[in-house]
Amino acid sequence: EPEVTQTPSHQVTQMGQEVILRCVPISNHLYFYWYRQILGQKVEFLVSFYNNEISEKSEIFDDQFSVERPDGSNFTLKIRSTKLEDSAMYFCASSGLGTGMGEQYFGPGTRLTVT
Amino acid sequence: AQTVTQSQPEMSVQEAETVTLSCTYDTSESDYYLFWYKQPPSRQMILVIRQEAYKQQNATENRFSVNFQKAAKSFSLKISDSQLGDAAMYFCAYRRTDKLIFGTGTRLQVFP
Repeated sequence: EPEVTQTPSHQVTQMGQEVILRCVPISNHLYFYWYRQILGQKVEFLVSFYNNEISEKSEIFDDQFSVERPDGSNFTLKIRSTKLEDSAMYFCASSGLGTGMGEQYFGPGTRLTVT
Repeated sequence: AQTVTQSQPEMSVQEAETVTLSCTYDTSESDYYLFWYKQPPSRQMILVIRQEAYKQQNATENRFSVNFQKAAKSFSLKISDSQLGDAAMYFCAYRRTDKLIFGTGTRLQVFP
């Protein structure tokens, strides 16, 4: 069964450093998402991406965040200058159907620890 | 703005018994989707079941079923014949546009 994959599973970085989190969505999906979950809290939407453009973003997704689909398979989230409060689990998700339709399939997550 | 509320931070059930997890939501929309996701200790988010708001029939997936009350904006999850592997955090989620809006979750413990 196809699945969303994410690398690395765990990333430790120092405050102020740039990190890139990588995702490979399900191959025939066209809609991609990033969510984050701070430990013990609920999952929060960051951004959605379709046709090489951001289609929706949350207030959390400020100028230090960016997303990219550098090739036909990868989808990345870059955090330019990490802060302690960026420590969280970051989930990538993909969907075969667009706005308001259908389920999103999640990857296993990347645990980001900022020290 | 849409909100999702899960009022039960923790629930417990004995193996083979039935448990119901509650979820309410607030929206002014008439067309939307609702989901239950399971998050085991590995923290992966696993889709359990989905419900389209335009469908009156409650969704079922094997031992999992929902009670969808659109007028009351209620969407509860029933787990029948509970198994030890059902122990996890369960998140209710609403989707109208691109994003999923999650509740705060219910931690389910299953006792042998």
